[in-house]
Amino acid sequence: AQSVTQLGSHVSVSEGALVLLRCNYSSSVPPYLFWYVQYPNQGLQLLLKYTSAATLVKGINGFEAEFKKSETSFHLTKPSAHMSDAAEYFCAVRRRAGNMLTFGGGTRLMVKP
Amino acid sequence: DVKVTQSSRYLVKRTGEKVFLECVQDMDHENMFWYRQDPGLGLRLIYFSYDVKMKEKGDIPEGYSVSREKKERFSLILESASTNQTSMYLCASSPRTEIRRVYEQYFGPGTRLTVT
Repeated sequence: AQSVTQLGSHVSVSEGALVLLRCNYSSSVPPYLFWYVQYPNQGLQLLLKYTSAATLVKGINGFEAEFKKSETSFHLTKPSAHMSDAAEYFCAVRRRAGNMLTFGGGTRLMVKP
Repeated sequence: DVKVTQSSRYLVKRTGEKVFLECVQDMDHENMFWYRQDPGLGLRLIYFSYDVKMKEKGDIPEGYSVSREKKERFSLILESASTNQTSMYLCASSPRTEIRRVYEQYFGPGTRLTVT
């Protein structure tokens, strides 16, 4: 069965600093992976998705993620944090059956001025 | 623009009440999902529907049921609400699954349910 682990339930960075949010997955088949963002009092919004076309995936708002099969990782990065990036971020893997997703526990990103 | 709406943003119910959470999508999607979101646990799938009147149990279906009478509407029902069902509930939809296509799920804004 597929599973996702997000290391660090809370991450704090200064404005302008690098953002790195970690995601490791477990999957018995080549995975399809997603990063979603949830701003306060809102639903989830897709940041980017990995579909095996390219290992480096660029998403919205300057975020990108790199798929590393050898490390079973799909970490999310952004070179320079903005205050508006403060939100909760979820990594997810598509299950074999249907279009169901398994989500990680989430990482809350705080950006300090 | 893609839209998933949920009937209430906040709901307060008493223990033992029957609770209905409604979700409507305007994208003609075949798949619809109900999740609950709790701190540190991420999103957990309650039920999934892949067509009208079709449903599958997710990871935590106990205490919940669902109804899908029309393609655009997916209802979550708490037959007898309990305090441990206090949570954020999120609805999502996506196009029909295809082997070589990877579709994202589109989420509603969520309903924060408090059971007292």
